[in-house]
Amino acid sequence: AAGVIQSPRHLIKEKRETATLKCYPIPRHDTVYWYQQGPGQDPQFLISFYEKMQSDKGSIPDRFSAQQFSDYHSELNMSSLELGDSALYFCASSLGSGQGAAPLHFGNGTRLTVT
Amino acid sequence: AQTVTQSQPEMSVQEAETVTLSCTYDTSESDYYLFWYKQPPSRQMILVIRQEAYKQQNATENRFSVNFQKAAKSFSLKISDSQLGDAAMYFCAYRSPISNFGNEKLTFGTGTRLTIIP
Repeated sequence: AAGVIQSPRHLIKEKRETATLKCYPIPRHDTVYWYQQGPGQDPQFLISFYEKMQSDKGSIPDRFSAQQFSDYHSELNMSSLELGDSALYFCASSLGSGQGAAPLHFGNGTRLTVT
Repeated sequence: AQTVTQSQPEMSVQEAETVTLSCTYDTSESDYYLFWYKQPPSRQMILVIRQEAYKQQNATENRFSVNFQKAAKSFSLKISDSQLGDAAMYFCAYRSPISNFGNEKLTFGTGTRLTIIP
């Protein structure tokens, strides 16, 4: 079965640079979630999209922005990178049900290292 | 806001034995969803089991089962016949039954690292 695809798997950037992470949800899934997992920490919710509209926002820095495109893939744009942005970034997708029953399917994550 | 607490940072169990991982949560909602996710060294997040709060029957998936105590706001995971492949970080997660589409994020606990002793 098709899974959530994230690219790239690994990314190394320097401070103050910009990074773009991509997420391709499972076919027919209309909802995408972005999570950030720092070393030894639990995943923290950043932002979500339903039908190409932002649906919820968590602890996402103003330096970050994201969007969902017409083909439902999503991109997380991160500017003015800081050392503290080094983390594993997960994308998850689901079929929006509005009732909380649809499980989230996670991608393998993008490991971002800022030097 | 909902909070999820996992009070056991690390647990270990002998292979083939049974282990229980604890999870408590705090919420004012009456209907919600609870999940256990597994994160092996590969860092992939894998859904292990889920429980709907309106269901009294505890969920079971093969060797994995939960003990859901709604009044106590407790949601423990029992792994029977532990196998080496069960070694991972286990996260308990809460999800609200929000009516807005796409507004169904997971709130995770801090995780329990499970080691399997051969």
